[in-house]
Amino acid sequence: KQEVTQIPAALSVPEGENLVLNCSFTDSAIYNLQWFRQDPGKGLTSLLLIQSSQREQTSGRLNASLDKSSGRSTLYIAASQPGDSATYLCAVREAAGNKLTFGGGTRVLVKP
Amino acid sequence: GAVVSQHPSWVICKSGTSVKIECRSLDFQATTMFWYRQFPKQSLMLMATSNEGSKATYEQGVEKDKFLINHASLTLSTLTVTSAHPEDSSFYICSARPDTGWVNTEAFFGQGTRLTVV
Repeated sequence: KQEVTQIPAALSVPEGENLVLNCSFTDSAIYNLQWFRQDPGKGLTSLLLIQSSQREQTSGRLNASLDKSSGRSTLYIAASQPGDSATYLCAVREAAGNKLTFGGGTRVLVKP
Repeated sequence: GAVVSQHPSWVICKSGTSVKIECRSLDFQATTMFWYRQFPKQSLMLMATSNEGSKATYEQGVEKDKFLINHASLTLSTLTVTSAHPEDSSFYICSARPDTGWVNTEAFFGQGTRLTVV
């Protein structure tokens, strides 16, 4: 059974510092991995999608890497801003099916 | 990106009543949609996979008679919480993946429904 873990569970940084969020998964047979942002009481906003054949994806200040063999993905957010404060979730889509398995999330607070 | 609309965004109901939540894909067709539940400060847990024109597939431990799912068209899935009780109070989120096109592997999520049973 696939298990997805995100460490740390919470993170507080001063504005301007780079953020590093970690995601690990136990079964490397994945189709893709997706990073999401969730604001309190809201739905999920897709940030980046990495296919199993890719090693990284970039969008603006966001960069996500994927090491499938070791079961790890890292989301980097450069030059953090208070507006980046949210919960960040990673989810893996297993090769055999359609569903996503989510990690527990990392709650990020960027202090001005 | 593709848009998934969920309605209502919040609802308060009395214990014992039923509540219906709608999930619509606005600009794409989705044969398959997913329903998740999220308790405070916890991650999303998949409840069931909704399949257009056939029965939903429920995850282990989810009561199919309590959480009724209907996927009547390629753009609409509904979740009905029957005989709701306070322990059903939670945040319910739907997700859909477009059947075709360049975003065919990306999942899009609705804005969620906050259900409070009193």
